[in-house]
Amino acid sequence: DAKTTQPNSMESNEEEPVHLPCNHSTISGTDYIHWYRQLPSQGPEYVIHGLTSNVNNRMASLAIAEDRKSSTLILHRATLRDAAVYYCILRDVSGNQFYFGTGTSLTVIP
Amino acid sequence: EPEVTQTPSHQVTQMGQEVILRCVPISNHLYFYWYRQILGQKVEFLVSFYNNEISEKSEIFDDQFSVERPDGSNFTLKIRSTKLEDSAMYFCASSERGTGYTEAFFGQGTRLTVV
Repeated sequence: DAKTTQPNSMESNEEEPVHLPCNHSTISGTDYIHWYRQLPSQGPEYVIHGLTSNVNNRMASLAIAEDRKSSTLILHRATLRDAAVYYCILRDVSGNQFYFGTGTSLTVIP
Repeated sequence: EPEVTQTPSHQVTQMGQEVILRCVPISNHLYFYWYRQILGQKVEFLVSFYNNEISEKSEIFDDQFSVERPDGSNFTLKIRSTKLEDSAMYFCASSERGTGYTEAFFGQGTRLTVV
């Protein structure tokens, strides 16, 4: 699986938007961009995924650069419950397992 | 909402003992996975399983580990002779398909402590 690079940590104020960046300069044309998060003492949780176009769901939005070498997970209004480690993962279309990196630890300040 | 369930939530075992970690994947899912997370470290892939066979495994998944789907609902991870370094959170996951455009759903984990 291609490698992703994320900042180790970020902070956000509660009720403000959060933009979590991910670089994946070696992404291939068949790699899907997935985001998962892991709340303290819990298992990883699916957030969103996309291929080329921006995606929205009830949890977040995913903005994908035109050249696909980077993406941004957007939480529109951070809550205290969004404090977690966020993982950006690439999966080939025929891929099976996920390979987790070290992720971004998001702290939400009340 | 369907979920992956894991039992037990916490298991303490003596070094050298065998342990079986149990998982009930989401019912219509066909692909199953085990991951582990040593305290303070990243989530590591162990094995994926489809159609009653291992489809991929990592170098961590050596001869001490085995997986089984003993019936239509359970998916188990067995560690034959536990070592201190096997102490970790073990996560089971399942997905409907084993493709890059499919999301996986993870259980809450089993904390294994080897003493």
